[in-house]
Amino acid sequence: DAKTTQPTSMDCAEGRAANLPCNHSTISGNEYVYWYRQIHSQGPQYIIHGLKNNETNEMASLIITEDRKSSTLILPHATLRDTAVYYCIVSDRNQAGTALIFGKGTTLSVSS
Amino acid sequence: DADVTQTPRNRITKTGKRIMLECSQTKGHDRMYWYRQDPGLGLRLIYYSFDVKDINKGEISDGYSVSRQAQAKFSLSLESAIPNQTALYFCATSDPSGISYNEQFFGPGTRLTVL
Repeated sequence: DAKTTQPTSMDCAEGRAANLPCNHSTISGNEYVYWYRQIHSQGPQYIIHGLKNNETNEMASLIITEDRKSSTLILPHATLRDTAVYYCIVSDRNQAGTALIFGKGTTLSVSS
Repeated sequence: DADVTQTPRNRITKTGKRIMLECSQTKGHDRMYWYRQDPGLGLRLIYYSFDVKDINKGEISDGYSVSRQAQAKFSLSLESAIPNQTALYFCATSDPSGISYNEQFFGPGTRLTVL
């Protein structure tokens, strides 16, 4: 079973920030938080990951709470092309045999 | 050119037929994975391989088998296809020595329909 809880769907206006929450209250000390997205039945695409510090790359920012029990993915200026299913995944970076466990994710709809 | 390719992209077959889905990668990654996705659901892991000599069952391996012919190739077989194996199948690769340890790179998917 997925170790994360995400809202089923969210809406966002084009040009505004999209903030996607994720709860992972049972996360362990060795587990990272990963975010992927899947655009209309294409293969999932890696976005960002983090352990405990906030992270930023060219696609998004990841804010992880101090207790690490939740996180938020931020798309600073959402575009129509950001409409996708977003998956929050916790995974032990150092564990042999690690595979990603995908839940149902959050369907983000960006509209003009 | 795509780093992870899957063939065929679409396949319609009949119950009881043997089907092979193929995955090739040019990323030089040792780790490869097969997932399936059913409508409205997330991806579920079928099999994964850490190198040519290492094959591991995933969450839903029953009814499937795999072959790792080379570092770059990982095939998924349905020995006797059944209708509830109708799904979208994805192959993925990863490099454990990379900065993003669990960043997996996915192929475009194979849409399989079993009648």
